[in-house]
Amino acid sequence: QKEVEQNSGPLSVPEGAIASLNCTYSDRGSQSFFWYRQYSGKSPELIMFIYSNGDKEDGRFTAQLNKASQYVSLLIRDSQPSDSATYLCAVNPPTSGTYKYIFGTGTRLKVLA
Amino acid sequence: KAGVTQTPRYLIKTRGQQVTLSCSPISGHRSVSWYQQTPGQGLQFLFEYFSETQRNKGNFPGRFSGRQFSNSRSEMNVSTLELGDSALYLCASSSTPGRTPGPNSPLHFGNGTRLTVT
Repeated sequence: QKEVEQNSGPLSVPEGAIASLNCTYSDRGSQSFFWYRQYSGKSPELIMFIYSNGDKEDGRFTAQLNKASQYVSLLIRDSQPSDSATYLCAVNPPTSGTYKYIFGTGTRLKVLA
Repeated sequence: KAGVTQTPRYLIKTRGQQVTLSCSPISGHRSVSWYQQTPGQGLQFLFEYFSETQRNKGNFPGRFSGRQFSNSRSEMNVSTLELGDSALYLCASSSTPGRTPGPNSPLHFGNGTRLTVT
């Protein structure tokens, strides 16, 4: 089992719809969870981080964390073509040591105009 | 505030050569991490430095090394380059030293150095 798993996609949604991206992790003790967006040929850009169970909203983005089920998700409301990118989930399992973040392989999102 | 700066942006090297990549973190950030990104493997952790000390190392051969200077700038070196070392090398900085098991602050990535080994 991979430490951090994401569906590679592509996930295609129409413009204006809600895009839902999911990530599961294996280390139950993990406490830090991050979502990054990466455009083709560019470096990852931080979108959101979440540490506590529940929802965290920032503009059109909502991160959801469920530690009991070991998943973290990212919702993008009113999706725009400019949201088309690969979304990376990152986790810092306590067993991995300080600042050794484990990244999923990413989900490619395509927002159709 | 200036972001993480990596130089050079592109490098083309030949097998057997060595290469040094440079990273300047965001001002005030003392933790610097390095990652390798390839299409097949995704983002793989190389190492992390804080206050000139390597605190964590990934599963890479000893050909990959790094260091951090007193001003938090960091370099990584790859010796005896192989074709499989072709990748995007990303440096990231973070503001807090990290408290295990407490939550860690996010990584902020530079634009990366794209290394091509021929």
